[in-house]
Amino acid sequence: DLQMTQSPSTLSASVGDRVTITCRASQSVSSWLAWYQQKPGKAPKLLIYKASTLESGVPSRFSGSGSGTEFTLTISSLQPDDFATYYCQHFNSYPYTFGQGTKVEIK
Amino acid sequence: QVQLVQSGAEVKKPGASVKVSCKASGYTFITFGISWVRQVPGQGLEWMGYINTYNGDTKYSQNLQGRLTMTTDTSSSTAYMELRSLRSDDTAVYYCARDPTWGYFEVWGRGTLITVSS
Repeated sequence: DLQMTQSPSTLSASVGDRVTITCRASQSVSSWLAWYQQKPGKAPKLLIYKASTLESGVPSRFSGSGSGTEFTLTISSLQPDDFATYYCQHFNSYPYTFGQGTKVEIK
Repeated sequence: QVQLVQSGAEVKKPGASVKVSCKASGYTFITFGISWVRQVPGQGLEWMGYINTYNGDTKYSQNLQGRLTMTTDTSSSTAYMELRSLRSDDTAVYYCARDPTWGYFEVWGRGTLITVSS
């Protein structure tokens, strides 16, 4: 199965910081990549799909880039509501797989 | 608004089966697929499989093949996920999610906790 690896696993940041999370695929997934945000006890929420398309209603401080095997999720100015765990997921082929998650904590 | 409402938490014994429901509202059910994703408490997300709600075609994770069945009832806009021969490591929160057939998940249910314990 195609493996997705996120880095870092945990990130400590302050409100207003620019935050970047990286997701690497074990083989090319073209642009078939999504990003989700999950808060404790809640279902994941779609942020970005097709690597860089912002889901409707998601704040513009979130952006995604990359193609092939390397992708990034950037939060341009971290807000209090953004402290959560973020997952990447490829949908290039079955089985779909997720990264292990990146927890964004308050510094 | 678009909603996926899942059935409630269950406790099952090892070897038993569980069937979780996911009732869709706010959109035309057969125009989007449904995927199921599970999450062991405190751990990451695992895609389980996908069902095309229009024609019933399914794709399952090989890890669960043979124990997993996904079905739909289009008359009630409800998707079902049945997992058999339950083991303790099947203890997880099970989510259904609307899949526009591309393979990403736009709308999620709130999740159903399935606990497998003797």
